[in-house]
Amino acid sequence: EPEVTQTPSHQVTQMGQEVILRCVPISNHLYFYWYRQILGQKVEFLVSFYNNEISEKSEIFDDQFSVERPDGSNFTLKIRSTKLEDSAMYFCASSGAGRGEQYFGPGTRLTVT
Amino acid sequence: DAKTTQPTSMDCAEGRAANLPCNHSTISGNEYVYWYRQIHSQGPQYIIHGLKNNETNEMASLIITEDRKSSTLILPHATLRDTAVYYCIVRVADAGGTSYGKLTFGQGTILTVHP
Repeated sequence: EPEVTQTPSHQVTQMGQEVILRCVPISNHLYFYWYRQILGQKVEFLVSFYNNEISEKSEIFDDQFSVERPDGSNFTLKIRSTKLEDSAMYFCASSGAGRGEQYFGPGTRLTVT
Repeated sequence: DAKTTQPTSMDCAEGRAANLPCNHSTISGNEYVYWYRQIHSQGPQYIIHGLKNNETNEMASLIITEDRKSSTLILPHATLRDTAVYYCIVRVADAGGTSYGKLTFGQGTILTVHP
């Protein structure tokens, strides 16, 4: 069964460093999302992406964040200058045309020290 | 999207049916009810969704009241692997149930299935 994959599973970085989180959505899906979950808190929406542009973004998704689909398979989230409060689990999701459900990846645990 | 209310936690014996309630009294006519679950910090997993008719798939059944103000997710024969946080999400969709908008997660219901 097709699934969303994410790399790395765990990323440790120092405050102020740039990180790129990678996702490979399900192959025929056209809609892509990033969510995050700070330890012990709710899953929060960050951004949605369709047709090579951002469809919607939350207040969390400020100028430090960017997304890109550099090729036909990868979908990336970049954080330009990480802060301690960016430490969280980051989930990528994708959705197919004509469907309502989103399929989530296993997540990348980002730890900022 | 309409607000949902779920119990904080529930218990269920293995092999028995787990019935998870959700209130969504302000739901609008074009909003569907979606259920997801999250097993121990894994990515959320889609379970089922519906508008007003009862729905069933290989994972669960969804019963939506006639006034659509509440719903119940039923796991017919709960196993230990069903222990998870279950989220009820109300979301605008088109007539076919298609939606590409964000999912807004609440705190959900922690379901514990015990032997």
